[in-house]
Amino acid sequence: DIQMTQSPASLSASLGETVTIECRASEDIYSNLAWYQQKPGNSPQLLIYDANSLADGVPSRFSGSGSGTQYSLKINSLQSEDVASYFCQQYNNYPFTFGSGTKLEIK
Amino acid sequence: QVQLQQSGAELAKPGSSVKISCKASGYTFTSYYISWIKQTTGQGLEYIGYINTGSGGTNYNEKFKGKATLTVDKSSSTAFMQLSSLTPDDSAVYYCARFWGALDYWGQGVMVTVSS
Repeated sequence: DIQMTQSPASLSASLGETVTIECRASEDIYSNLAWYQQKPGNSPQLLIYDANSLADGVPSRFSGSGSGTQYSLKINSLQSEDVASYFCQQYNNYPFTFGSGTKLEIK
Repeated sequence: QVQLQQSGAELAKPGSSVKISCKASGYTFTSYYISWIKQTTGQGLEYIGYINTGSGGTNYNEKFKGKATLTVDKSSSTAFMQLSSLTPDDSAVYYCARFWGALDYWGQGVMVTVSS
């Protein structure tokens, strides 16, 4: 199985800041990567697919980039509603696998 | 709008089985596969498998073969997952999600608690 190593595990930032979350795959996943946001008590929601495509209704302050084995999610102008856990997921090789998550808090 | 409505929480005894449902609405059910995902605090998110809602064909994560059985009822646009021979390690929140690679719509999740 492809291992997805996500960092950092937790992150504290101020409102208006820019934050970046990284995900490294154990082998090339050819940009078949998604990012999800999960707010406390809710199910995950798709933010980014195909490494850099914004899902419908997702604010443009979210962006994804990367290729090969290295990917990142950037959140510009951090808002209070961005407090959540964030997960990456590869869908290049079966079984599809997830990163361990990043918990984002406001400082 | 696309919705996946899952059944309610389950409390089950070790060794028993539970069957969770996932009713889809707002789109053509057979145009997308349905995936199932397990979430625990310790193990995070784990992919259980997916079902082709048109043919009923399935693909399981090796780890969940023998544990999970995925089925579908096209007439009611509902996918099902049965979990058998339950142990405390099966206690988790289980999600269904519409799947085309990424998982674009998720159900609200079903908490399964296995306890004697």
